[in-house]
Formats: sequence, structure tokens, C-alpha cells
Amino acid sequence: QKEVEQNSGPLSVPEGAIASLNCTYSDRVSQSFFWYRQYSGKSPELIMSIYSNGDKEDGRFTAQLNKASQYVSLLIRDSQPSDSATYLCAVMKDSNYQLIWGAGTKLIIKP
Amino acid sequence: DAGVTQSPTHLIKTRGQQVTLRCSPKSGHDTVSWYQQALGQGPQFIFQYYEEEERQRGNFPDRFSGHQFPNYSSELNVNALLLGDSALYLCASSLDGPGPGYTFGSGTRLTVV
Repeated sequence: QKEVEQNSGPLSVPEGAIASLNCTYSDRVSQSFFWYRQYSGKSPELIMSIYSNGDKEDGRFTAQLNKASQYVSLLIRDSQPSDSATYLCAVMKDSNYQLIWGAGTKLIIKP
Repeated sequence: DAGVTQSPTHLIKTRGQQVTLRCSPKSGHDTVSWYQQALGQGPQFIFQYYEEEERQRGNFPDRFSGHQFPNYSSELNVNALLLGDSALYLCASSLDGPGPGYTFGSGTRLTVV
């Protein structure tokens, strides 16, 4: 079992709809959770960070964390074609500050 | 305020050769982490440098080594290159401690032929 798992996709969503991206992790001691966006050939860019159970909203983005279920998700409202990218979930154990990454979900927003 | 700078941006090497990749961290950051990202995969942690010492290391062979200089810049060295070392190498800088303070450079695309 991989430490951080994501559906590889591609996930195809119509423009203006809500895109829902999911991530599960295996290590219960994980404390910090991040969503990065990566355009093809570019480096990852931090979108959201979340540390406690519940929802965290930033503009069109909402991160959701459920530590009991070891599950973190990212919702993108009013999806735009510019949101088309690979979304990487990353988990950090505060014991060593090392980021463990999922393989990413490719998101395609169709105009 | 300069972000993380990596050089070179692209590199082609032959199997068995050695390569050095360079990273200048974001101003004010003192910690440098290196990641390898193969095509279609998430980044894999190679190692992290703080106070000129290797503090953490991922599951990479000794062919991968690094260095951090007093000005916090860092180098990644890979010896005896294999075809499987072809990847995007990412440098991330941060302030020591937990939190999302990772800033990534644009990466070095290494191709081994």
C-alpha cells in the first residue's frame, strides 16, 4: 500500500462545474496536508494547506480533512480551463518535515 | 524577492557520467530539500540539508550526494548515471520547522542517454 494514494485520472469536468479531487493516506501520525497544482513541465505550486479536521476555504478552493478516515479532498468551484493540471496531494509528518507525495490526479476542464 | 533558482534547466548526460545540479534558496530560507520526479509520478524525497548537514534522506542510493554551502545554496550530485535517473529534479527551500513553507524551483530536467 502506498503511503499517499490518489486516483490518477484523468478527471474530466465541464467548465463552471465543481471538480472534486480525493486523497487517502496510510500513516495516522501525519499532521499536515497539502494540495499542489502542477502544470505540465512545471514545478508544483502550493494551492492549499490544512492541518485540522473540517473544511478550509480559499477563494474557489476548499480543502476537506477527515483524520479518522485518513482522507483529504480538494474541491474546485466554478472550474475554469486554466484549472486543467495535475493536482498532487502531499502529507507531512511533523517528526521529520518530509513531504510524502501522491502520484497526482490529472484534471481536465472542458470548455 | 527572488524565489528558488535552479540550474541548469535542462541537461543531457550519458550513462556512467556524473552530474551536478545547483539550487539557490528563496531569500530568508535556510533549509533545502531535493526531490526527484519521474514522468507521471509524484516527487520522491531525496534528502534535506540544514546547517550544511544532511538531515534527512529518502530511499536513494549513495550515488546521490549533496552539499549545502554557508550561504544556504545547495548542490545535488549524481554519480554513475543510469537511464532510470532521467527525471525532473526539484529543489525546495523553506525555513527550518514544520509548515507549508516549501517554495519550489522550476526544476532541472535531466535526460540520461
